[in-house]
Amino acid sequence: SAVISQKPSRDICQRGTSLTIQCQVDSQVTMMFWYRQQPGQSLTLIATANQGSEATYESGFVIDKFPISRPNLTFSTLTVSNMSPEDSSIYLCSVVGDRTDTQYFGPGTRLTVL
Amino acid sequence: AQTVTQSQPEMSVQEAETVTLSCTYDTSESDYYLFWYKQPPSRQMILVIRQEAYKQQNATENRFSVNFQKAAKSFSLKISDSQLGDAAMYFCAYRTLASKLTFGTGTRLQVTL
Repeated sequence: SAVISQKPSRDICQRGTSLTIQCQVDSQVTMMFWYRQQPGQSLTLIATANQGSEATYESGFVIDKFPISRPNLTFSTLTVSNMSPEDSSIYLCSVVGDRTDTQYFGPGTRLTVL
Repeated sequence: AQTVTQSQPEMSVQEAETVTLSCTYDTSESDYYLFWYKQPPSRQMILVIRQEAYKQQNATENRFSVNFQKAAKSFSLKISDSQLGDAAMYFCAYRTLASKLTFGTGTRLQVTL
């Protein structure tokens, strides 16, 4: 399995501001994903972070709101832009490990927007 | 589109007892993978167990085992000798190699003394 770290683990932000979440993996991985988990809900895929190209966004998520970077095979960032209270969620990074059928998850970032 | 259904929003089990969490899914694929993830209050998503659809043998990981019924598209999780640390949200999930991971809505498991 892959060891995944995320920074920050939690943050409280004011509406209208932006927050960048970092995801670091201990090994090179091809596929990285970003998920959102709203309070009491299941996980929703935001986008697939592609190394060397633009991220692939799911329906309902746009690059202007959730810009993603993937500069190499071990690191990615997700920015939540122009935040509103509706963005208060847990954001999780996920990777497909050496067993290509299994996804592993980071510890998550708990975001609260006031 | 693939869907995953968990019909039990909440379950409760006494310590040392056995509990079964239900999951059904809908797919037209023949080759796919099924997972159970555990999410304790710490919010870390932890892989509990995985099952390849082409394997008839049910997967087992220590106190955790599955009952995989491919024809019925059912994938239940059995937790034996339940412990307080098993209290968490449990998510059933499905994917093929070419598709994204699809989650169920989750089952909250309480473990009582």
